[in-house]
Amino acid sequence: DSGVTQTPKHLITATGQRVTLRCSPRSGDLSVYWYQQSLDQGLQFLIQYYNGEERAKGNILERFSAQQFPDLHSELNLSSLELGDSALYFCASSAGGTSAAEQFFGPGTRLTVL
Amino acid sequence: AQKVTQAQTEISVVEKEDVTLDCVYETRDTTYYLFWYKQPPSGELVFLIRRNSFDEQNEISGRYSWNFQKSTSSFNFTITASQVVDSAVYFCALSEAMNYGGSQGNLIFGKGTKLSVKP
Repeated sequence: DSGVTQTPKHLITATGQRVTLRCSPRSGDLSVYWYQQSLDQGLQFLIQYYNGEERAKGNILERFSAQQFPDLHSELNLSSLELGDSALYFCASSAGGTSAAEQFFGPGTRLTVL
Repeated sequence: AQKVTQAQTEISVVEKEDVTLDCVYETRDTTYYLFWYKQPPSGELVFLIRRNSFDEQNEISGRYSWNFQKSTSSFNFTITASQVVDSAVYFCALSEAMNYGGSQGNLIFGKGTKLSVKP
């Protein structure tokens, strides 16, 4: 158990809908990262937050947004969902916000868009 | 541009065989970090090792060993005497120290190598 929790574990929804994925980092970790794992794109970095502030952005679509709250949990919001958004979404946390920090991954949320 | 290549898509071995998973990386940075993660069939990503670019010493942890060679930009992973429980997808990843285009600490993953160990 990495200490990172993600809810829900599975999510099935329809095209055009909006969903929210939730992540609680390990106790004491200030940084949260979101990654998307799909068959065609592999594991891709979406966005990083450090202590409540956005630190870095990857290939995140404009339809997607995220935030990190004062208690350090984070939410990833996906809207106007398309079939291609079906994927496994991982959250990871680390103590620092730099490249040296080891990232611990949550179990993931499997999103299916029908 | 930063990139991680795992040329082996799938490898199948019989239990007790040794197996090496290849990883080649590209980076403009002189300070960077390399990682290996394991993704078993259950789906979670399990951290295996982190190595910084200034430490080229090979590392051994039980049946696992890693060979880092800057000269060939490779960070290969060997499992000795493989077991069925080693069956998983293994990912090599790179993290750069400098802030290129907004990246700061995020991992750049290879496509992964699926290892199947048969009894």
